[in-house]
Amino acid sequence: AQSVAQPEDQVNVAEGNPLTVKCTYSVSGNPYLFWYVQYPNRGLQFLLKYITGDNLVKGSYGFEAEFNKSQTSFHLKKPSALVSDSALYFCAVSSPTGTASKLTFGTGTRLQVTL
Amino acid sequence: NAGVTQTPKFRVLKTGQSMTLLCAQDMNHEYMYWYRQDPGMGLRLIHYSVGEGTTAKGEVPDGYNVSRLKKQNFLLGLESAAPSQTSVYFCASSTRDRGNIQYFGAGTRLSVL
Repeated sequence: AQSVAQPEDQVNVAEGNPLTVKCTYSVSGNPYLFWYVQYPNRGLQFLLKYITGDNLVKGSYGFEAEFNKSQTSFHLKKPSALVSDSALYFCAVSSPTGTASKLTFGTGTRLQVTL
Repeated sequence: NAGVTQTPKFRVLKTGQSMTLLCAQDMNHEYMYWYRQDPGMGLRLIHYSVGEGTTAKGEVPDGYNVSRLKKQNFLLGLESAAPSQTSVYFCASSTRDRGNIQYFGAGTRLSVL
């Protein structure tokens, strides 16, 4: 069975500072890894994904994530946080086997960026 | 470009009532999914479909049924609603051509009293 852990319920960052939202995963075989963001009363929006290749993945809105196979981690990062980045962030994993991409989500991390 | 549209946006039911949630996508995606989101639990997959006329159970299928009679629509039914089904329900769709990135609707907030 595949699983995702997001160890922090909330991350607080001052605007302009770098941010990191942590994610670790467990899956059989090579993982497909995703980050999604959810703004209040909205659906989830895709930020970035890792399937294969370069361990540093760049995504939307200046976000990037680093895949670390030995630590089974896929942490989300941004060099300089904005107040508008405040939202709920979900890490997700799927296995490349099968025809549908059945995602398993973490419990989410709330990012609060303050002035 | 509407993407994934869910109706209704809000609904209040009494225990034992039935209802159907509708999901429509205009992206010609072959895969569709229904999730529920509960505080502190992330999103959990209820049912999914890999194509017209086919459905499969996800992680939490009990108390729900689904149908996919047309490629663009995926219906989620509650035959006899229970308070434990109070949640926010999200529909998503994806295609292998776009790396199976899932695109989500805005959600349906359901309260069962």
